[in-house]
Amino acid sequence: DTGVSQNPRHKITKRGQNVTFRCDPISEHNRLYWYRQTLGQGPEFLTYFQNEAQLEKSRLLSDRFSAERPKGSFSTLEIQRTEQGDSAMYLCASRGRRKYEQYFGPGTRLTVT
Amino acid sequence: SQQGEEDPQALSIQEGENATMNCSYKTSINNLQWYRQNSGRGLVHLILIRSNEREKHSGRLRVTLDTSKKSSSLLITASRAADTASYFCATDPFETSGSRLTFGEGTQLTVNP
Repeated sequence: DTGVSQNPRHKITKRGQNVTFRCDPISEHNRLYWYRQTLGQGPEFLTYFQNEAQLEKSRLLSDRFSAERPKGSFSTLEIQRTEQGDSAMYLCASRGRRKYEQYFGPGTRLTVT
Repeated sequence: SQQGEEDPQALSIQEGENATMNCSYKTSINNLQWYRQNSGRGLVHLILIRSNEREKHSGRLRVTLDTSKKSSSLLITASRAADTASYFCATDPFETSGSRLTFGEGTQLTVNP
């Protein structure tokens, strides 16, 4: 499968714990995006990378959130000191050069208890 | 906050009927895209229309764009039960094209067999 993959697919954690999600984009795509989606809403932009550079971060991305994309390949999204309000689906997408459409992974569903 | 707003929020039709969904947005755009999301899954890109285009077709899909009214519509003809999903419009802003997509809240389409 050459699509975008995300791991884990589901994560249940207790409030206050740290969690890390991984996204593997389509290999030739240089842009990688993270979105968050809550039930009944559309995805909300969190941050994006062009190669290894993080070029934009949403105001939604508090200082408890950090994202990396070492070597411009896979990306990780870490949430520190999770709160119940962090419960959501975290979606990763990638985009190729000179293209505008984004290809989404299946998402990681986070539940904070 | 979400820029796009889809209308209606929910639509239920019989197989074989046409489904029309509308989207309004607020800022200047480079392009507008429509995505489909099956329950609990990632998003799938359906069609993209550029700001200088007025209509585009892809299979059973027809998209229109009216930049003067800042609105778009997605028509699915001869609907099938497999078309049951949430449909989102997403705008790619002119000023920061490529940096992010802003999604609406979606239309939940149910096609009854």
